[in-house]
Amino acid sequence: QVQLQESGPGLVKPSETLSLTCTVSGGSISSYYWSWIRQPPGKGLEWIGYIYYSGSTNYNPSLKSRVTISVDTSKNQFSLKLSSVTAADTAVYYCARDEPIRGVMDWGQGTLVTVSS
Amino acid sequence: QSVLTQPPSVSAAPGQKVTISCSGSSSNIGNNYVSWYQQLPGTAPKLLIYDNNKRPSGIPDRFSGSKSGTSATLGITGLQTGDEADYYCGTWDSSLRVFGGGTKLTVL
Repeated sequence: QVQLQESGPGLVKPSETLSLTCTVSGGSISSYYWSWIRQPPGKGLEWIGYIYYSGSTNYNPSLKSRVTISVDTSKNQFSLKLSSVTAADTAVYYCARDEPIRGVMDWGQGTLVTVSS
Repeated sequence: QSVLTQPPSVSAAPGQKVTISCSGSSSNIGNNYVSWYQQLPGTAPKLLIYDNNKRPSGIPDRFSGSKSGTSATLGITGLQTGDEADYYCGTWDSSLRVFGGGTKLTVL
């Protein structure tokens, strides 16, 4: 079981780009899929997208135009960029190890990102 | 509006059994594995069930999963106060990971 830790600014201004990094420990980032999932306060889970260690990606169509997920295997990290944010993007953002079809196997503790001026 | 439909809340007494349903369609549950997640208050979700009915190591056999057609069910027996949490079902739909809206379990 790997451990995942999100890091990045907790406050982002409207229209700017949200950037988060997930550091994976206790295992290699290679050979797995890695997802970002978010949860607005008091609401349910929304999958943002995943990246395979090789770099191939799959994004939620509702966010695809604003999302970029990248991976840095040398640092055992993967990252999320969400552009042109609004208050609706305020949420707890989780990084996770994903096994598509089977389930989201391991989750980070989550980080709250607030979009506000 | 979630693609997968769960009851907003369920409740039962300690020691009793409870089931949580997750209803979908042929494009999601009907043709894909279902997973279940437990989210204790103020914490990250945790995988409870994957591949419809498999438990990760460390998950007690009080938790069980099943699937029939386009619906899935999470069962919890021997309820404990520590089981009070939000529970989410999840699966795939047209190459998109989807979740249910979540069910709040209250152990009375």
